[in-house]
Parts: sequence; structure tokens; C-alpha cells
Amino acid sequence: AQSVTQLDSQVPVFEEAPVELRCNYSSSVSVYLFWYVQYPNQGLQLLLKYLSGSTLVESINGFEAEFNKSQTSFHLRKPSVHISDTAEYFCAVKLYNFNKFYFGSGTKLNVKP
Amino acid sequence: ETGVTQTPRHLVMGMTNKKSLKCEQHLGHNAMYWYKQSAKKPLELMFVYNFKEQTENNSVPSRFSPECPNSSHLFLHLHTLQPEDSALYLCASSHPGQGLNTEAFFGQGTRLTVV
Repeated sequence: AQSVTQLDSQVPVFEEAPVELRCNYSSSVSVYLFWYVQYPNQGLQLLLKYLSGSTLVESINGFEAEFNKSQTSFHLRKPSVHISDTAEYFCAVKLYNFNKFYFGSGTKLNVKP
Repeated sequence: ETGVTQTPRHLVMGMTNKKSLKCEQHLGHNAMYWYKQSAKKPLELMFVYNFKEQTENNSVPSRFSPECPNSSHLFLHLHTLQPEDSALYLCASSHPGQGLNTEAFFGQGTRLTVV
């Protein structure tokens, strides 16, 4: 069975501080990995994805995530957060040959001035 | 704008009403999904359609009835709902199978309130 675990439901952090949002997954087959962001009363927007190749992937707004196969993790990091990064972040996996996405329970990032 | 459009954005309905949610995409995707997002609960997959055929029904009560007339449109028909069905209903679409563009694109959701 597949599952996605986001260990922190809420992460408070001060502006310009670094942040890491943790994601671990369990799967018996190969997966694609994603991070999505959701702002209030909006749908989910793709932040970044890992399909293959380099294990470090980056987004256009300074976030990065590293795929660690041995630890089955895909943690999201940003070296310096902004107030505008306040949102909920979801980690997700998709099995290679199936049209089904498994989502974590989400982590609310609260950036304080 | 993700290319997936949901209407209406907000809906208030009584428990005896019948209403429908609509989702439309023109991204050329052949897989479409309904998700339910409730407060303090994980995102729940409800239904999956691949090439207009339902491939997943995640034990959803029969008061929710999906319809996929073509690969671009997905509906969720609602009848005799309960207050606990109040939630944000999200539609998504993706290319089926593998490939570089395999991620899901989400609509902005319909905020449903059952009174």
C-alpha cells in the first residue's frame, strides 16, 4: 500500500529564516514525487516535481526539494522565507503506471514578520 | 489560472436539494479526478476517470454521483446531502500514465455548504 506522511501539521517561522517541511512516503513500486501549495480558498498549485535524474529539484520562487530513495523522503526547503510564502503545502506521490495521486495531510507554513 | 475551471465557486444547498458541480479542462488531459477537502482532514480522493471511464470509486456514498461525458468535462451530481458533506470539492486533471507532464492540475474548487 502507498502512503504519504507529512510529519508537521504546522510550522511557524520568522521572515527571512530557513525552513524545512518534511515528507516521507511508502510505496512498493516506483513513484513520481510532487509538492503542491494551497493559498486560502484556492486549489492546489504545483510547486515542484521529481520524475527522474538529479535528486535535487528547484522551483522558480526559491524552494527546493531533495529525493532520498534510501530514506524514502522528499523534504521541501527554502533558505529564506517571505511573508507571501504563508500557505499550506502538500506532498504527493503518483505511481508510475497508475493515474492516482496520494497526498499527505498537509503542513501549514506560517511566516511571521 | 491552471487551465481547470470549476463552477460554481460557492454553493449553499439544503439537504433535500439536487445540485451539480461542473469541472472543465482544455489541457488535452485524459484523466480527471474529484477530491474532497474537509477542515482538519487529509485530501480525500473520491473518483477517477480515465478516457471517460470510471476507474476508481473510493467508497463514496451514492448521494454523490459523478458523470464524465467526455475527456474535457466532469460533473458531480449531489442529492440529499448531509451537513458533514460540507467541504471544498476539488477537480483535477492529468495526462494518464508516465511522462514529463504527469502532474495533476487543480481547479480552484467549489466551497459547498449543506444546511
